[in-house]
Amino acid sequence: LAKTTQPISMDSYEGQEVNITCSHNNIATNDYITWYQQFPSQGPRFIIQGYKTKVTNEVASLFIPADRKSSTLSLPRVSLSDTAVYYCLVGTQTGANNLFFGTGTRLTVIP
Amino acid sequence: SAVISQKPSRDICQRGTSLTIQCQVDSQVTMMFWYRQQPGQSLTLIATANQGSEATYESGFVIDKFPISRPNLTFSTLTVSNMSPEDSSIYLCSVVDSFYEQYFGPGTRLTVT
Repeated sequence: LAKTTQPISMDSYEGQEVNITCSHNNIATNDYITWYQQFPSQGPRFIIQGYKTKVTNEVASLFIPADRKSSTLSLPRVSLSDTAVYYCLVGTQTGANNLFFGTGTRLTVIP
Repeated sequence: SAVISQKPSRDICQRGTSLTIQCQVDSQVTMMFWYRQQPGQSLTLIATANQGSEATYESGFVIDKFPISRPNLTFSTLTVSNMSPEDSSIYLCSVVDSFYEQYFGPGTRLTVT
C-alpha cells in the first residue's frame, strides 16, 4: 500500500486559495488518489478523486504531476466553513485498497 | 450517493460490558467497512463486513473483540466486546458505491468508564 505524507496543519485567511500537497512516492500504476474532508463530530466526506493531470469539481481541484509521486488539493477562496481535516488516500479505484487514512492535514481558516 | 445512519449516536458504557453498533444504508452496497477514530487521531480500519460470510479483520483487530454481522446488503453491526477505557473512541461505518466513492456514517461516540 502506498504511504502518504501530508503537512500536519495549515492556516489560511478567508478568501485565499489553499493548496495542500500530499506525497506518495511509491504509488502503484493502478492507484488512484482520493481526498476526504472531515469536520468535527462527523464522518469524512469524499471531495475529489483523480488518476493523473488535473481534475476539477464544484468543490476543489486536484493537480497530479506526470510522475504521480505527489498530488495537490486546491481549495479556491476558502471560507471559515472550510476549517476541517483533509485526508489524502492512495489505492485502487475498486475501494478494496483505498481505505487507509494517513495523518491528514488540519486546515484552519482565519477571519 | 449513499446515506448511512448509525445507532446509537453515542453511549457511555461500563468496563467489561459489550455494545452493539448498527449501520443502515439507504441502498444496496457490496462493500461495507468499520473504522475506529480515537480522539484527535486519524481513522483506523477495523474490518471489512462481508455479506453472507465472516468479516475480514485488519492487523490488530480480532473477531472475539469486534464481532461483525452483515446479514444483507444494507445492514451491518459491530459489537465492541468486554470493553475497557482504551476502547473509548468514535466508531464509523462506511460503504463504497458502484462509482467507487466511499461514504461514511455519522459515527458512534463510545465512552467506557
